[in-house]
Amino acid sequence: DTAVSQTPKYLVTQMGNDKSIKCEQNLGHDTMYWYKQDSKKFLKIMFSYNNKELIINETVPNRFSPKSPDKAHLNLHINSLELGDSAVYFCASSQTQGGTDTQYFGPGTRLTVL
Amino acid sequence: AQSVAQPEDQVNVAEGNPLTVKCTYSVSGNPYLFWYVQYPNRGLQFLLKYITGDNLVKGSYGFEAEFNKSQTSFHLKKPSALVSDSALYFCAVRDLYGGSQGNLIFGKGTKLSVKP
Repeated sequence: DTAVSQTPKYLVTQMGNDKSIKCEQNLGHDTMYWYKQDSKKFLKIMFSYNNKELIINETVPNRFSPKSPDKAHLNLHINSLELGDSAVYFCASSQTQGGTDTQYFGPGTRLTVL
Repeated sequence: AQSVAQPEDQVNVAEGNPLTVKCTYSVSGNPYLFWYVQYPNRGLQFLLKYITGDNLVKGSYGFEAEFNKSQTSFHLKKPSALVSDSALYFCAVRDLYGGSQGNLIFGKGTKLSVKP
């Protein structure tokens, strides 16, 4: 009964490849997020998305794109991977409309670019 | 710009002693403040939040935090630390200017180490 799940847990790939990370939430929330945690453990928002609005952190390269097939999923697609993309990526969800604003996080995907 | 600051990279406490992990914020208007904990190789777990109301907020695992508007602080506390509390703790504030989604702006994190 995992609330927010991500796959894969680990992803090792070569520079220049394209990869996707999947995220699913079964909490019925209306908003989903992607965060990046770097090697120093700094956490930074990348995207937030609900059925009305996509907000992109302006510092995120356009090689990163979120794709939401439905309300319960927000996948992260990355083109032309670079060494600096190596990090842990966390998906989260919350109920924004009439909700508590509390975000619930997935277990993370550790991406290593060689 | 909105931000939170966690002035300590690491806090060391003996088991059974009280612990405090500090957080200060800089927000225009009323802040929505959160504490999360991250155990090694795990995702973030929600501990507690302050939105409005009582300045003392109680959360999971015996943690509490006190919202202090005059000092712009939201320190995390626990009366008696456990070795199992050892983890990375993040303070966060809701981004009030980030649209309707409520993105979180995180502090850099404080590593709590509780020794037996």
